[in-house]
Amino acid sequence: GQNIDQPTEMTATEGAIVQINCTYQTSGFNGLFWYQQHAGEAPTFLSYNVLDGLEEKGRFSSFLSRSKGYSYLLLKELQMKDSASYLCAVRDGKTTDSWGKLQFGAGTQVVVTP
Amino acid sequence: GAVVSQHPSRVICKSGTSVKIECRSLDFQATTMFWYRQFPKQSLMLMATSNEGSKATYEQGVEKDKFLINHASLTLSTLTVTSAHPEDSSFYICSAEPQGASSTDTQYFGPGTRLTVL
Repeated sequence: GQNIDQPTEMTATEGAIVQINCTYQTSGFNGLFWYQQHAGEAPTFLSYNVLDGLEEKGRFSSFLSRSKGYSYLLLKELQMKDSASYLCAVRDGKTTDSWGKLQFGAGTQVVVTP
Repeated sequence: GAVVSQHPSRVICKSGTSVKIECRSLDFQATTMFWYRQFPKQSLMLMATSNEGSKATYEQGVEKDKFLINHASLTLSTLTVTSAHPEDSSFYICSAEPQGASSTDTQYFGPGTRLTVL
C-alpha cells in the first residue's frame, strides 16, 4: 500500500524559514511533487524531484533521498501569503497512457504570523 | 498556458439526484485526466483515472456505478455523481496530464467543484 506522512501543522513568523518533512513508503516511485493549496482552491505546483539532492527555485527548495524515502520542502523569507496547506505527492509507475498516478499526503498547514 | 477549467464551481442538489461535473483542458490536449475528492481538512484522494476513448480505471473502494466517468475527447472529461447523498458532499478536483508531456511535467489541476447534497 501507499503511506505518505507529513506534519499536520507548522507555525512560523514572517521572514523566517520553515522546513516541511515528508516520508513515504510506496509500491512504486516515479518522482515526488510538492504543491501549495489555499483553502477552497486547487493545488498549484511548486517543485519536482526524481533524483537525490536539492532543487532550488527562488524562495522554495525541495530535497529528496530515495534510499530513505524522505523529502523536505524549504520555504525561505516567509511571507504572509505563504500561509497555506503544502501537499507532498508521490507519483507511482509509468503506464502506457500516463507518467503515473499521484498519491497525496494529508498536507501540512503552514501558518505565518506577523 | 496549461489551464484546466471545471464547471460548475459550486452545486447544491437534493438527495437522490444526479450531478454532472465537467473538466476541460483549455489550451492543451490531455489523453489522461484524473478525478480527486477532498473532504474538509483532508488531502486529495484519487478516485479514478480517465483515459480518452476508453473506460476509466477506478481506485479501490470507489463505486464505478455511482461515479460515472466519460472522457469523450482529448479536452473533456465528465464525472457524474449518480443518486447523490449527503455523504457525497465534497470538493471534487480534476487534473489533466498534457499529451506528450515529459516526465518532469506536472498534472494541471482544475479549480475544483464544491458539491453540497441536502
